[in-house]
Amino acid sequence: DQQVKQNSPSLSVQEGRISILNCDYTNSMFDYFLWYKKYPAEGPTFLISISSIKDKNEDGRFTVFLNKSAKHLSLHIVPSQPGDSAVYFCAASSDSNYQLIWGAGTKLIIKP
Amino acid sequence: DVKVTQSSRYLVKRTGEKVFLECVQDMDHENMFWYRQDPGLGLRLIYFSYDVKMKEKGDIPEGYSVSREKKERFSLILESASTNQTSMYLCASSLVRSEAFFGQGTRLTVV
Repeated sequence: DQQVKQNSPSLSVQEGRISILNCDYTNSMFDYFLWYKKYPAEGPTFLISISSIKDKNEDGRFTVFLNKSAKHLSLHIVPSQPGDSAVYFCAASSDSNYQLIWGAGTKLIIKP
Repeated sequence: DVKVTQSSRYLVKRTGEKVFLECVQDMDHENMFWYRQDPGLGLRLIYFSYDVKMKEKGDIPEGYSVSREKKERFSLILESASTNQTSMYLCASSLVRSEAFFGQGTRLTVV
């Protein structure tokens, strides 16, 4: 039973436009959410996080939105750049758990 | 600059061999993790450790064991490698309830 779901295996976006990556979760105990980016043959790198006390967090071109009632979060990248082409993972954790629970990832392709 | 270092980028081992994957972090983190990543399956947790000599099973511990004798080092052991353990192995470390930092990954092929 997947507690964190990324339903789009891949997404293709034109350079300069907005990329929106989505993530849904089922466990209402999750209170901290993170996005990671992964290039082939490298480990994931942390991008941005959000606590459940917020509904938005922004860092440069990256913004994460959290909708607790819908159990949904999204990552917006604007403007999209070729270097953003990677696999993006969302992850979640709760106060009672040391672990991060991961989604399956979305492969983002930025077209020139 | 934070650093998680995995001992090998690429490994090729034979079926039945005992395989050791080493991971070292220099951030004094309590938590350390071993994941494997397979296409379409995301990151699956094999084992994690929240303190020296402590270990907890993750989602897929079968066929693996771990060792954490020192805070900075977390080893993953494949007791008898099999072809279905061919994968990308990722080590990570974190403070409690914060983002995890990953090593560069080890691509293991079992033939």
